[in-house]
Amino acid sequence: GENVEQHPSTLSVQEGDSAVIKCTYSDSASNYFPWYKQELGKRPQLIIDIRSNVGEKKDQRIAVTLNKTAKHFSLHITETQPEDSAVYFCAASRSSARQLTFGSGTQLTVLP
Amino acid sequence: NAGVMQNPRHLVRRRGQEARLRCSPMKGHSHVYWYRQLPEEGLKFMVYLQKENIIDESGMPKERFSAEFPKEGPSILRIQQVVRGDSAAYFCASSPSSGDTEAFFGQGTRLTVV
Repeated sequence: GENVEQHPSTLSVQEGDSAVIKCTYSDSASNYFPWYKQELGKRPQLIIDIRSNVGEKKDQRIAVTLNKTAKHFSLHITETQPEDSAVYFCAASRSSARQLTFGSGTQLTVLP
Repeated sequence: NAGVMQNPRHLVRRRGQEARLRCSPMKGHSHVYWYRQLPEEGLKFMVYLQKENIIDESGMPKERFSAEFPKEGPSILRIQQVVRGDSAAYFCASSPSSGDTEAFFGQGTRLTVV
């Protein structure tokens, strides 16, 4: 089955700096890679996703890159703000929203 | 659209009791997924259901756990004879019947076994 590794487990940045979270996956058939943000005690919320036919996708301060050959994908957050503080999960799936395999999460703290 | 509704939000059960978790998908969604999240860990897939069908239960423990999604009413995740290790947050997600689109998560049910 699929295995998703996520690094780092914790990340602290100064407000305004960039944050990068990296994930690797094992199943070459995976073609859908979403990123979720989860605030304490709340539901995971999709912030951006990318499919295997695209190498990069950007939405305002958030971008995701995908390297299918190396089987890794990354989340980039620029101009971080305190409200970006949360746990971020990467995930992989063979087909869109189907059975997602999640990484172990990154606790991002943005220091004011 | 009320979103994915889960209830109860918090559930306390004594060891050996049964836990029933409910999930009402978003309107128009007929696919439901259950995930379990242990404290400070990622979400682990448990089961994928469509109306009256279990599509994939590869993530479900073989004993004590069962799930259903009847023609009418919410999806139910049932845990019999709960043990302390079942304490976790259980999230339900739903997606439309067709199309390549994201799954939307509910607020989760936090099960505590005492």
